[in-house]
Amino acid sequence: GAVVSQHPSWVICKSGTSVKIECRSLDFQATTMFWYRQFPKQSLMLMATSNEGSKATYEQGVEKDKFLINHASLTLSTLTVTSAHPEDSSFYICSARDGREGPYEQYFGPGTRLTVT
Amino acid sequence: RKEVEQDPGPFNVPEGATVAFNCTYSNSASQSFFWYRQDCRKEPKLLMSVYSSGNEDGRFTAQLNRASQYISLLIRDSKLSDSATYLCVVNRQGAGGTSYGKLTFGQGTILTVHP
Repeated sequence: GAVVSQHPSWVICKSGTSVKIECRSLDFQATTMFWYRQFPKQSLMLMATSNEGSKATYEQGVEKDKFLINHASLTLSTLTVTSAHPEDSSFYICSARDGREGPYEQYFGPGTRLTVT
Repeated sequence: RKEVEQDPGPFNVPEGATVAFNCTYSNSASQSFFWYRQDCRKEPKLLMSVYSSGNEDGRFTAQLNRASQYISLLIRDSKLSDSATYLCVVNRQGAGGTSYGKLTFGQGTILTVHP
C-alpha cells in the first residue's frame, strides 16, 4: 500500500522556537495533504488542507501565521510551528491523498510528537 | 452537538467475545463513512469503509442506518490484537467543494481484549 513518512517522529523544543515537520509520500504523488493535530485522549482535528503549488486552507480557529504550511512538490508538505508554546505540544499527523483515487482515500503518516518545554 | 459522536468506552472484553460500537453523525448530507483503528501513540489506519447495504470483512461487520444517522461496527471472536481505539469517521460536507476530501473523526472508542 501507499506509504507516507513524517520527520521527525518526535521533537522536544524550547518555548519560543520554531519547529518544522515534514510529510512525504514515498510511492505516489500527493495532490493534497492534510495536517491534523491530536491532543491526549481526544480525536484528530483537521488543521489545514495543503494543495501542491497553492496556498493552504486553514480550518476555523487555526492561526495560519503560527502554523505555516508549504506544499512545494507532489511528494512533500511541511508544517512549521512558529514560536512554539507549551500548549502547542501535541501529536501532529499528516495524511496524503493520491489524486488517482477517491476523495477520501487517505494515507496517514506515523505522526510527530511535539513537546514544547 | 458534535459532528461525530461515539461512546468513548472503555470496553473491556474477554477473548472470543463479540463487541459492538455505535456512532452517530449530525450532517444528514454525509456520504462516506469509515471505521479506523488507532493503536496507542500511532497513526490511525483504515479498518473498513461502511456501505449502505452493510458490509463484512472477516470478523468485522459494519452497518449504516442513514435514516437514524447511525453507524455500527461489530467485532466477533475478539482477539488480543484487536485492543485499540476505534474511530468513526465521516466525510465532511460543505458548499462549493470546499470540504472535498476532508474527514471528521469521532473521539474514538477504546477496546481492551483480555485473556
